[in-house]
Amino acid sequence: DIQMTQSPSFLSASVGDRVTINCKASQNINKYLDWYQQKLGEAPKLLIYNTNSLHTGIPSRFSGSGSGTDFTLTISSLQPEDVATYFCLQHNSGSTFGSGTKLEIK
Amino acid sequence: EVQLVESGGGLVQPGRSLKLSCLASGFTFSNYGMNWIRQAPGKGLEWVASISSSSSYIYYADTVKGRFTISRDNAKNTLYLQMTSLRSEDTALYYCARRLPGAFAYWGQGTLVTVSS
Repeated sequence: DIQMTQSPSFLSASVGDRVTINCKASQNINKYLDWYQQKLGEAPKLLIYNTNSLHTGIPSRFSGSGSGTDFTLTISSLQPEDVATYFCLQHNSGSTFGSGTKLEIK
Repeated sequence: EVQLVESGGGLVQPGRSLKLSCLASGFTFSNYGMNWIRQAPGKGLEWVASISSSSSYIYYADTVKGRFTISRDNAKNTLYLQMTSLRSEDTALYYCARRLPGAFAYWGQGTLVTVSS
């Protein structure tokens, strides 16, 4: 089974900061890595699919990059409404989520 | 607009059974594979099971294999999860989700299952 290691677990940043969250797969997952945002009390929402494709309606400050085993979600300019927990998901072989990154505003 | 509405959750004793439903609307249900994903309180996400559009292909997480059964009724636009031999570690919010394909693009609001005596 493919394991996903997500870092950091917790992140505090200021409005306007550039923020990066990482996921590392235990083996090559090609491009099949997605990013989700989950606000308190809500269902997860798809942000980025297949490494770098922005899902419909998602602001352009969100972007994804990477390949193979190492992937990154970047928020170019952090906004107050971005406070949430972020999860990665690999779907190259089965479906495995990362453990999550809780993002707060400093 | 794609809508997924789960129901059937509740409090159940260990070892008992429960059946969840997910009513889909806003898309042609019979064209898409569907999934169950769960989230234990305060924890991360765990994919539970998936079923192809015609029920030909079904997959389970090892943690539920042999105890849970995913099924669907395309005439009723409804996805099901029959859960048996429930354990305390099955306590979670259960979401149904539709793939893009690939990514889980659409999620319901979830139904809470609590396994406790």
